[in-house]
Amino acid sequence: AQSVTQPDIHITVSEGASLELRCNYSYGATPYLFWYVQSPGQGLQLLLKYFSGDTLVQGIKGFEAEFKRSQSSFNLRKPSVHWSDAAEYFCAVVGTSYDKVIFGPGTSLSVIP
Amino acid sequence: DSGVTQTPKHLITATGQRVTLRCSPRSGDLSVYWYQQSLDQGLQFLIQYYNGEERAKGNILERFSAQQFPDLHSELNLSSLELGDSALYFCASSPGLSYGYTFGSGTRLTVV
Repeated sequence: AQSVTQPDIHITVSEGASLELRCNYSYGATPYLFWYVQSPGQGLQLLLKYFSGDTLVQGIKGFEAEFKRSQSSFNLRKPSVHWSDAAEYFCAVVGTSYDKVIFGPGTSLSVIP
Repeated sequence: DSGVTQTPKHLITATGQRVTLRCSPRSGDLSVYWYQQSLDQGLQFLIQYYNGEERAKGNILERFSAQQFPDLHSELNLSSLELGDSALYFCASSPGLSYGYTFGSGTRLTVV
């Protein structure tokens, strides 16, 4: 069965520092992959997605992610973090039946001024 | 505003009761998905509807049911509520999974 792991439960970075959030997936074929962000009290917002083509994808709010098939990874990056980026980040994959999205457990990001 | 509307935003009810959560998808989206978010279980897929028909079921309890109406809005019915049903319930809509989901802001259910 497909699964998504996010090894880091919580990450703290200083404002202006770079950020990388890790995501690993278990999937037989080329997956459809997503990153979502959830601010406190809010629903989830799609940051970016990958399903084919260039393995480096650009998203909203200055985020990017790189798909690495050999490592079954889809890590999220941002070169300079802003205090407003503090939120919960979810990596997700479309299930093989193409009937739903499976979410990872999430990584909570705190930003120190 | 994401375009997906969920009501109510908050709901407090007693054990054993029944509640109905409502979702209006983004204009043009035929698919509606329901998820439950709790601290211990994370985001769990409950059920999917496409143009009025149930398409997929996930970890949905028998006490829970859903439907999608001709105008495409969906309702999630939770009955015989237990303390453990306290959670955030999200609705999402999509024109197709390759596009990803658009989420509503959720309904926070508290069972006391």
